[in-house]
Amino acid sequence: EAGVAQSPRYKIIEKRQSVAFWCNPISGHATLYWYQQILGQGPKLLIQFQNNGVVDDSQLPKDRFSAERLKGVDSTLKIQPAKLEDSAVYLCASSLVQRGDISYEQYFGPGTRLTVT
Amino acid sequence: RKEVEQDPGPFNVPEGATVAFNCTYSNSASQSFFWYRQDCRKEPKLLMSVYSSGNEDGRFTAQLNRASQYISLLIRDSKLSDSATYLCVLSGGSNYKLTFGKGTLLTVNP
Repeated sequence: EAGVAQSPRYKIIEKRQSVAFWCNPISGHATLYWYQQILGQGPKLLIQFQNNGVVDDSQLPKDRFSAERLKGVDSTLKIQPAKLEDSAVYLCASSLVQRGDISYEQYFGPGTRLTVT
Repeated sequence: RKEVEQDPGPFNVPEGATVAFNCTYSNSASQSFFWYRQDCRKEPKLLMSVYSSGNEDGRFTAQLNRASQYISLLIRDSKLSDSATYLCVLSGGSNYKLTFGKGTLLTVNP
């Protein structure tokens, strides 16, 4: 079974530039997550989608970050304009729909390592 | 108080050693608990879920104490391949949001 795919794997940009990341979840996984992992920290949830609807974007810096999942499958995360503190690994994860008292495992993609100079 | 606090580490142990990681959490409403493993420059992967009754998977034993809001992971007979960062993770809320600790780095030496 194919895992979560992400691209690009690495990106270097200058501050104030824009960047976009792409994620394709595991087939059949309706729930998709974007996390930011700064060096030395655990991943922090930025946004969670269920199908093409946003479930939680409380920690997304909406003045510069945006994300969409138009057809309920793949997703893009955009940063515009980038700041130095955005340097991090951006991880995409997917899972089956969480329901009731069942918490399904989240599967992570390899991440995109962003460096802002 | 941080939502999830872990032993800062790093831990350096010889092969065959027993090592324990501790984690405390602040949100008593947290519903599910996990240990994830993250190899250097790789994505996190689920190691095991943690249950109140305690659970074991081979050389790994996880414990949860809801009253003390404390989680632990014990690794027996450490292998070189156990070298990784171990992340304490909670899940809660209507969207089963995962909250990660900073992680504890383990290096097992030959």
